[in-house]
Amino acid sequence: GAVVSQHPSWVICKSGTSVKIECRSLDFQATTMFWYRQFPKQSLMLMATSNEGSKATYEQGVEKDKFLINHASLTLSTLTVTSAHPEDSSFYICSAPGRSTDTQYFGPGTRLTVL
Amino acid sequence: GESVGLHLPTLSVQEGDNSIINCAYSNSASDYFIWYKQESGKGPQFIIDIRSNMDKRQGQRVTVLLNKTVKHLSLQIAATQPGDSAVYFCAENGGTSYGKLTFGQGTILTVHP
Repeated sequence: GAVVSQHPSWVICKSGTSVKIECRSLDFQATTMFWYRQFPKQSLMLMATSNEGSKATYEQGVEKDKFLINHASLTLSTLTVTSAHPEDSSFYICSAPGRSTDTQYFGPGTRLTVL
Repeated sequence: GESVGLHLPTLSVQEGDNSIINCAYSNSASDYFIWYKQESGKGPQFIIDIRSNMDKRQGQRVTVLLNKTVKHLSLQIAATQPGDSAVYFCAENGGTSYGKLTFGQGTILTVHP
């Protein structure tokens, strides 16, 4: 079946640094990918829709200058958390729709801890 | 709108019991609903889905019921096993067709041997 990978699976960084998270569709192409954030014991919150060849669409309340999204190719989207602060510590998950957009394939998530 | 839970509801059952997990959704435009299972430290895993033109759909040990009148979705797990212990989320598509999902609050299911 279709697989979505994320890299890294976990990262620890110092406050003020930037962190890049990659989301790859391994055996299918994805013109659209989605980025979610999940705080402990909470639900997944959609942050943005990553669009190949065009700008990402951000959900209300999500700072586009802080969470930079680049959909570099049909199989890769990156999320860069700029000037990370402890409150950005979270579990970041990406997803990509399959051939039927109703089918979403989720990545394994990236645990970000900002010290 | 989006629903976020500060403290997830919990459900504890004994192995072999049937489990029922409930979800209320808010967007009447949603026409596609999915249940996901999430184990600790992992991404969501698809369990079962249902479209708005149906009110019931069955899987191997799972059944999803949809009541559009009251915007309610439920997941029934038969003969619950310890491996079913996880957090369960419902998600709705908001009537969109390009894969954007809104997740429900989530329920922590604990199955005791």
